[in-house]
Amino acid sequence: DAGITQSPRHKVTETGTPVTLRCHQTENHRYMYWYRQDPGHGLRLIHYSYGVKDTDKGEVSDGYSVSRSKTEDFLLTLESATSSQTSVYFCAISDNGYEQYFGPGTRLTVT
Amino acid sequence: SQQGEEDPQALSIQEGENATMNCSYKTSINNLQWYRQNSGRGLVHLILIRSNEREKHSGRLRVTLDTSKKSSSLLITASRAADTASYFCAGNAGNMLTFGGGTRLMVKP
Repeated sequence: DAGITQSPRHKVTETGTPVTLRCHQTENHRYMYWYRQDPGHGLRLIHYSYGVKDTDKGEVSDGYSVSRSKTEDFLLTLESATSSQTSVYFCAISDNGYEQYFGPGTRLTVT
Repeated sequence: SQQGEEDPQALSIQEGENATMNCSYKTSINNLQWYRQNSGRGLVHLILIRSNEREKHSGRLRVTLDTSKKSSSLLITASRAADTASYFCAGNAGNMLTFGGGTRLMVKP
């Protein structure tokens, strides 16, 4: 998976709790992305980063925040998880903003 | 909203046959990409076609792009059981991709 890891790979949490997902890359790529994948919706962009400390919102950013303090790490935080945030979350990286390389995914269940 | 809409949503063929998937998109793009996703795995980049290109080949893959119709097609020739997966088109504008809902391809041995 192109030097990308995601942690944790699976998580079950309760409504109202904070959750942080981590994406780590060893490719030194400039761009990093967080998507969620749900049946019937394909992949939807949550947030992305175009450099250290440089981030921007995607299509479905409400309820999510991100941080990128180092080139290799991109964190996605759900401040107060809701059942609608149950999903599979994918991180992706790109060196040119075109082709993207995806991590293995994190399956999050909010009960 | 989805940039791309794939057609068909599901396709079942026999090994050795060709598989054709279509994608329509809504807004202007710099390029269009196709990705494959095996069950339970992340997406894998297959091929990129730029907005000024009309056709591109990579191995058994052939992609066409018609910007006037805002549509693209992916042809997989001589399909194999290992091609069973979901296939997604994605329109690239700026540094972001917007994905369609995908086509589920099943290749029967």
